[in-house]
Amino acid sequence: DIQMTQSPSTLSASVGDRVTITCRASQSISSWLAWYQQKPGKAPKLLIYKASSLESGVPSRFSGSGSGTEFTLTISSLQPDDFATYYCQQYNSYSFTFGPGTKVDIK
Amino acid sequence: EVQLVESGGGLVQPGGSLRLSCAASGFTFSSYWMSWVRQAPGKGLEWVANIKQDGSEKYYVDSVKGRFTISRDNAKNSLYLQMNSLRAEDTAVYYCARGTAMYDYWGQGTLVTVSS
Repeated sequence: DIQMTQSPSTLSASVGDRVTITCRASQSISSWLAWYQQKPGKAPKLLIYKASSLESGVPSRFSGSGSGTEFTLTISSLQPDDFATYYCQQYNSYSFTFGPGTKVDIK
Repeated sequence: EVQLVESGGGLVQPGGSLRLSCAASGFTFSSYWMSWVRQAPGKGLEWVANIKQDGSEKYYVDSVKGRFTISRDNAKNSLYLQMNSLRAEDTAVYYCARGTAMYDYWGQGTLVTVSS
């Protein structure tokens, strides 16, 4: 199975900050990567698919980049609603593994 | 509006069985692969199983193969997960999600607790 890692595991930031989360795959997944946002007690929400495509309805301050084994999720100006945990997920091959998550909390 | 509503979770003893259901609405259910994804308490997300539109293809994560069965009833717009021989490590919130491997809609989840 393809292993996914994320860094950092926790990130403390302030409203208005530019935030970058890194996701790495244990082998090439081309651009078959998605990013999700999850708030406590809620289901995950799709933000980005195919590494850089913004899901409909997601604010443009979210962006994704990368291919192969290294990917990033960037929030250009952090808003109060963005404090959450973010997961990357590869869907290049079964078992569609998720990263361990990055918690973005208030500094 | 797309809605996915899970039900059937609860407390079950190790070795027991449970059947989860997911009622879908707001989209043409029979046109989509569907999946189950789970999340152990305080942990990350894990894909569990998925099923093709007509039910002809089904795939499972290794840890549930031979114990869990995914199925669907397109006439009832419903997805199911039959879970047998449950173990403590199956304790999780189980989400129904639309898609083969990348999920644009999720249900609210149903909690399965395996404990004596």
